[in-house]
Amino acid sequence: GESVGLHLPTLSVQEGDNSIINCAYSNSASDYFIWYKQESGKGPQFIIDIRSNMDKRQGQRVTVLLNKTVKHLSLQIAATQPGDSAVYFCAEGYTGTASKLTFGTGTRLQVTL
Amino acid sequence: DAGVIQSPRHEVTEMGQEVTLRCKPISGHNSLFWYRQTMMRGLELLIYFNNNVPIDDSGMPEDRFSAKMPNASFSTLKIQPSEPRDSAVYFCASSHSDRGTGELFFGEGSRLTVL
Repeated sequence: GESVGLHLPTLSVQEGDNSIINCAYSNSASDYFIWYKQESGKGPQFIIDIRSNMDKRQGQRVTVLLNKTVKHLSLQIAATQPGDSAVYFCAEGYTGTASKLTFGTGTRLQVTL
Repeated sequence: DAGVIQSPRHEVTEMGQEVTLRCKPISGHNSLFWYRQTMMRGLELLIYFNNNVPIDDSGMPEDRFSAKMPNASFSTLKIQPSEPRDSAVYFCASSHSDRGTGELFFGEGSRLTVL
């Protein structure tokens, strides 16, 4: 097995507070960005996406912000709940399709009561 | 609605054995993806199919790995012979490529341990 693994950054947030998860992407040519949530023992689940012609998009309790100048993406979760505890991945890609998505290494969100 | 269905959920095998992982995508989706997830490398795309045709297999590690999609409702990922470094969680995902979205629907994964 592996002796060295990725050390996932962890964000610990109290229930009811807002969470902000950050992601730096690598390819300035990427024009499409997605956030996925992965709960323990499950596959990643789509949360929200944004195209490069936008800098903000809102969903239910979530907001994604895109700063193309510094190649930075963030996911804001309002009123964080225990069910939000998971690993969150950003992914970058092209043309708004699921092909050739490149996933980041992930951030673990721990919600404390 | 049934999601992406993968089998087996867990497999433990010995080095040198053949491993076959199976996937049933969501009905109506025309793109299917195989990903591998490890602590070392995160989520890696191995191969994807569009309309049952392999489009990009550049992520397949080596010739020991092969994938097929004989019809729209079934795909396999085969490793022969397996090695301990193949130990990982293998995810199958599907999407509809014509909807202009990168929303992938993942299965629950097949956890492979090669001893």
